[in-house]
Amino acid sequence: QSALTQPPSVSGSPGQSVTISCTGTSSDVGGYNYVSWYQQHPGKAPKLMIYDVNKRPSGVPDRFSGSKSGNTASLTISGLQAEDEADYSCCSYAGRYTLVFGGGTKLTVL
Amino acid sequence: EVQLVESGGGLIQPGGSLRLSCAVSGFTVSSRYMSWVRQAPGKGLEWLSLIYKSDITDYADSVKGRFTITTDNSNNTMYLQMNSLRAEDTAIYYCARERGNTLVDFWGQGTLVTVSS
Repeated sequence: QSALTQPPSVSGSPGQSVTISCTGTSSDVGGYNYVSWYQQHPGKAPKLMIYDVNKRPSGVPDRFSGSKSGNTASLTISGLQAEDEADYSCCSYAGRYTLVFGGGTKLTVL
Repeated sequence: EVQLVESGGGLIQPGGSLRLSCAVSGFTVSSRYMSWVRQAPGKGLEWLSLIYKSDITDYADSVKGRFTITTDNSNNTMYLQMNSLRAEDTAIYYCARERGNTLVDFWGQGTLVTVSS
């Protein structure tokens, strides 16, 4: 299974919006509505932010939203805040019992 | 409260073996899909293996035949037996709880495995 493709880094100023892309294939992202996104601060475990493409777990601010078009999923963070600075990874179900992750994107809040 | 606590990491020589443990509390390990995910230094997350009800298992190609995932329901713990370790297996290994085998909804804090001579 090949990793999903994410940009290595994105940046934005406080209050702005940023979008992180996640590109896979028809065997993973494009084939199922099971894309999830994780936030990871340095030295910490990942935290689920979005699941099933566009659903937010309880406690995740509505500034975080997800979408998908074809083989590409996206995470949008609006109203950027300093605490949003972290690494973000996408993940897709890839059939049977397999998950595939993206390479991660470092978000810098300027 | 859900907790996943990994242990067993450390420094091991190439070709060696190591067994990681994940102590589970807050739910029964046999009731959920459970998996191991690793993160090599400066790299992305990599799904490695899944187990469900002790009889369904799956592995990523990168570890198939070398790693074995098991659970012990009596002490509510998941294990990862790692054999024939290579330098490229150096990573933080996370214990993870899956929801319906389509996403990870809870992570442990991770244990570091370093494979080096």
